[in-house]
Amino acid sequence: AQKVTQAQTEISVVEKEDVTLDCVYETRDTTYYLFWYKQPPSGELVFLIRRNSFDEQNEISGRYSWNFQKSTSSFNFTITASQVVDSAVYFCALRGSQGNLIFGKGTKLSVKP
Amino acid sequence: DGGITQSPKYLFRKEGQNVTLSCEQNLNHDAMYWYRQDPGQGLRLIYYSQIVNDFQKGDIAEGYSVSREKKESFPLTVTSAQKNPTAFYLCASNLAGYTSSYNEQFFGPGTRLTVL
Repeated sequence: AQKVTQAQTEISVVEKEDVTLDCVYETRDTTYYLFWYKQPPSGELVFLIRRNSFDEQNEISGRYSWNFQKSTSSFNFTITASQVVDSAVYFCALRGSQGNLIFGKGTKLSVKP
Repeated sequence: DGGITQSPKYLFRKEGQNVTLSCEQNLNHDAMYWYRQDPGQGLRLIYYSQIVNDFQKGDIAEGYSVSREKKESFPLTVTSAQKNPTAFYLCASNLAGYTSSYNEQFFGPGTRLTVL
């Protein structure tokens, strides 16, 4: 079975703090794809990153970075020097066999000024 | 601009009524999906369609129906048989075919349905 677990329900930080959002996945596939999406209060999901299983190189995009570790089935997301605009719900997802996305329950990040 | 539109943004329904949520995309995507989101929950798959005139049930299809008569459109009907329809509904699409696993899904702005 395929499953995504985001153990952190809510995180609250003060602006400029670094914060890491955890994601653990389960799949029996040898080739698979992982995604992170951001859901601001408006509700629309915004794509952040995708990662395929055969590329374990970590990625950095501005203040965002992702740590993919197959050995622990984790795909964690770090925001450096957080800002108020980063406040949102963040979802980790795994591509399902029908092309759909299998989502974790999300982590609500609140960044306070 | 290319994207996915959903209407209405807010929808109120009386118990026992059927309602239809609209989803239109101009991205030329073959695959379209409907997800349901409840507070504190991730998104769950209701229905999906990989090609025109064909669609498949997702994990929580009971009480819902869809049609896919045009590539651009994938409307969702919430029937009176759906016991707890109050939720946020999101439509998504992506390219199908051999690149489908790799491509990200694009999402519409969502419809918030409330049953009175």
